[in-house]
Amino acid sequence: DAGVTQSPTHLIKTRGQQVTLRCSPISGHKSVSWYQQVLGQGPQFIFQYYEKEERGRGNFPDRFSARQFPNYSSELNVNALLLGDSALYLCASSLIGLTNYGYTFGSGTRLTVV
Amino acid sequence: DQQVKQNSPSLSVQEGRISILNCDYTNSMFDYFLWYKKYPAEGPTFLISISSIKDKNEDGRFTVFLNKSAKHLSLHIVPSQPGDSAVYFCAASGGDSSYKLIFGSGTRLLVRP
Repeated sequence: DAGVTQSPTHLIKTRGQQVTLRCSPISGHKSVSWYQQVLGQGPQFIFQYYEKEERGRGNFPDRFSARQFPNYSSELNVNALLLGDSALYLCASSLIGLTNYGYTFGSGTRLTVV
Repeated sequence: DQQVKQNSPSLSVQEGRISILNCDYTNSMFDYFLWYKKYPAEGPTFLISISSIKDKNEDGRFTVFLNKSAKHLSLHIVPSQPGDSAVYFCAASGGDSSYKLIFGSGTRLLVRP
């Protein structure tokens, strides 16, 4: 069985540009969560989507947005990129979105903003 | 406001000895705690978890201890192996936030052969 798939694995963007990151959850999982991990820190929660609805949002500006599609895959969009947005973006899938129900992370997308 | 803290950024132990990684939390609503292991260029991998109704959970070489009164948990790895060298993250969830994890900043473990 495929795990959580994220694409692309790496990308470089210029300040002010927009970026879209993609995530495919484990088959049968209906929830996708997005986290940002800055170097030297632990992952920070950005969003969770469950059954295509936003369930929760972390302390991130409106430049960050996401959506979940009927097949439960998800996209994270970041507009007007800043240097501080450089980070590893992690997607986690779970059956129903609760942390005690198999919260599994993908390998992440490394975003570098120059 | 850092609700989950890992105060030791790094730890070095000899192969075969015990590794003890510590984690403190401040939010009394947390009721589920997890440890993740992370290698470079990979996502965090779930290691072991514990519910607040327990004070110990064991899985092979890994044991997690929870002290609710002290708001402290620890991960014991016995015996430590070189392949255990990685960054270990403590995470917590609970209350009205049972859908998200609050992570500590991680502890880098080096197991010396």
